[in-house]
Order: sequence, then structure tokens, then C-alpha cells
Amino acid sequence: GAGVSQSPSNKVTEKGKDVELRCDPISGHTALYWYRQSLGQGLEFLIYFQGNSAPDKSGLPSDRFSAERTGGSVSTLTIQRTQQEDSAVYLCASSLGQGSGNTIYFGEGSWLTVV
Amino acid sequence: GESVGLHLPTLSVQEGDNSIINCAYSNSASDYFIWYKQESGKGPQFIIDIRSNMDKRQGQRVTVLLNKTVKHLSLQIAATQPGDSAVYFCAENSGTYKYIFGTGTRLKVLA
Repeated sequence: GAGVSQSPSNKVTEKGKDVELRCDPISGHTALYWYRQSLGQGLEFLIYFQGNSAPDKSGLPSDRFSAERTGGSVSTLTIQRTQQEDSAVYLCASSLGQGSGNTIYFGEGSWLTVV
Repeated sequence: GESVGLHLPTLSVQEGDNSIINCAYSNSASDYFIWYKQESGKGPQFIIDIRSNMDKRQGQRVTVLLNKTVKHLSLQIAATQPGDSAVYFCAENSGTYKYIFGTGTRLKVLA
């Protein structure tokens, strides 16, 4: 596709349920990021994938959060046993490579509400 | 979707005036900077970028200025329009895959 595609765009789930959020990066982009954006907060780094390298998972807030990227393209962020504090916008971004000059482009986000 | 950043600093500008949005970045080693625009209920949209070997870069109605001495970045929007109303934030990069993002400024365009 032309841009980063995320689904679902909106998700309301009950506390304790698991959710899966999907990201389809821009074609040819080897780098993929997940960020979280809460009300009144800046972007919180969650995880980074680059090609076939081991991902940087240092931003995942707890072991309830996991992500994978299959075939170097589509990524799924999974949140198990959701809590109300998980309510946020989950943004996926991709870039052609890594480092300076490699602009990261964002998707429209998955707006998660845990009730 | 809900608006993000309910407690962000706000800049109110009359339609047709110029807007200047500022960002103080944190890492003196940062050498690449991006400005994003985020409208309510949408993801961040790339506006313009600049490398540290430049002081100024112009796009369509937008100009980014970089002052490395005081680690300051600004975004100027000429002839501000209602469609420019959004949250604007900067991002800095020092050569790795990690970006540091500002919390943003809300721009309100008054008719």
C-alpha cells in the first residue's frame, strides 16, 4: 500500500481480554516501530524490528505485551489480559532503513479502549 | 478517536497570520530532525525534515529553522489556514534507529 496500514482502527475490549493489533508497513521498508501514545503524553517507544535482526523489545511495559514480525513485513502487537491503563493509541511506523535521514512514517493508529 | 494531548501548550493564531512553533531538543549529538503534524483522531503526518548541516529548509508554506548552538528547532507556517489546526511535534535522531519525540504544541487557527 501507499502508507502504513493499521487495523483495527478502533477497539473496545473488556478488562482481562487479549487484543491483537496489526501493522502493514510501507512496501520495502525494513524498519518497523511500535509506539504508544496516551492522552497528554508524547510517544512512548515499545519495540523496533529491523530486517532479520533481533528486535529491540526494551520499551515493552510488561510481559503482557509482545510483538512479532513475520516474513519481514506485517507485524502484530499482542496485549494479553488487558488493563484499563493499556487504553491508548498504538501507532506503528516504518522507515526504509535506520538512522539519520531515514524518515519514519506513521500509520493512523489503533485506538484501544479497555473498559 | 479522541484528541491526544489535552494539556499541551497551545498557540492560537488568526487565519492568514504566520505561525511559529518551537521545540527544544535534548541531545547535542542529534543530527536529523523531523516535524510532524497530528490532527485529531489521526496518526502523525510527516511535514518537513532537516539535517544538522543546514540551518534552514523550506517547503510548501513551511520553513524549519535549526539553531544547534542552543539546541532549538522551530517550524514556521506561512498564511496559516484552518486546516493547519493540529498538534505539532518534533523528533530528533542521533544516527541510530531511536528517535526522541517532543510532546507537542497544539495550534488553533482562529477564523
